[in-house]
Amino acid sequence: GQQVQQSPASLVLQEGENAELQCNFSSTATRLQWFYQHPGGRLVSLFYNPSGTKHTGRLTSTTVTNERRGSLHISSSQTTDSGTYFCAIANSGGSNAKLTFGKGTKLSVKS
Amino acid sequence: AQTIHQWPVAEIKAVGSPLSLGCTIKGKSSPNLYWYWQATGGTLQQLFYSITVGQVESVVQLNLSASRPKDDQFILSTEKLLLSHSGFYLCAWSLGEQYFGPGTRLTVL
Repeated sequence: GQQVQQSPASLVLQEGENAELQCNFSSTATRLQWFYQHPGGRLVSLFYNPSGTKHTGRLTSTTVTNERRGSLHISSSQTTDSGTYFCAIANSGGSNAKLTFGKGTKLSVKS
Repeated sequence: AQTIHQWPVAEIKAVGSPLSLGCTIKGKSSPNLYWYWQATGGTLQQLFYSITVGQVESVVQLNLSASRPKDDQFILSTEKLLLSHSGFYLCAWSLGEQYFGPGTRLTVL
């Protein structure tokens, strides 16, 4: 089945630094979704990005489907960016968009 | 706007006791619905999905069951809790991109 590898597992930044989170997957994907999980548990969708590059504020998601990889770039990090970032892959366009999640990257931004 | 509500927010239950967790989606007709489980500090694992009322498919066997009694409602339950059921349970809906509810934190003692 689909396997999703995220790196790094954890990352500590000083406020203002940039971060690049990586996601590699083993099988062809029809969609890649990035999530942010608040320390309290709430999971928020950041990007739904099957291919190409998307921007939202300080975040940029890039997916290169044929190379089976994606990345999430965070620029000018802030302490409120702290939390866990998950990459999730679906490799079916059918009714069960089963998402396979990576193990996440735990980000800590210090002031 | 679509809203997704889960109840309860948190539960502390004894091993062997029954459990029922609920999820309601408002503002979206006939979405696909999903249950996920997350161990403390772990990743998310899909448990069940449903594309229509009364129809639920199991993805992972964890001695849990799910039902969709109404178009906007998804229920996760078991008659007998295990210690391994502890964790964070998330409900999600999708018509493409997936959106998650606030979750229920379950502690089994």
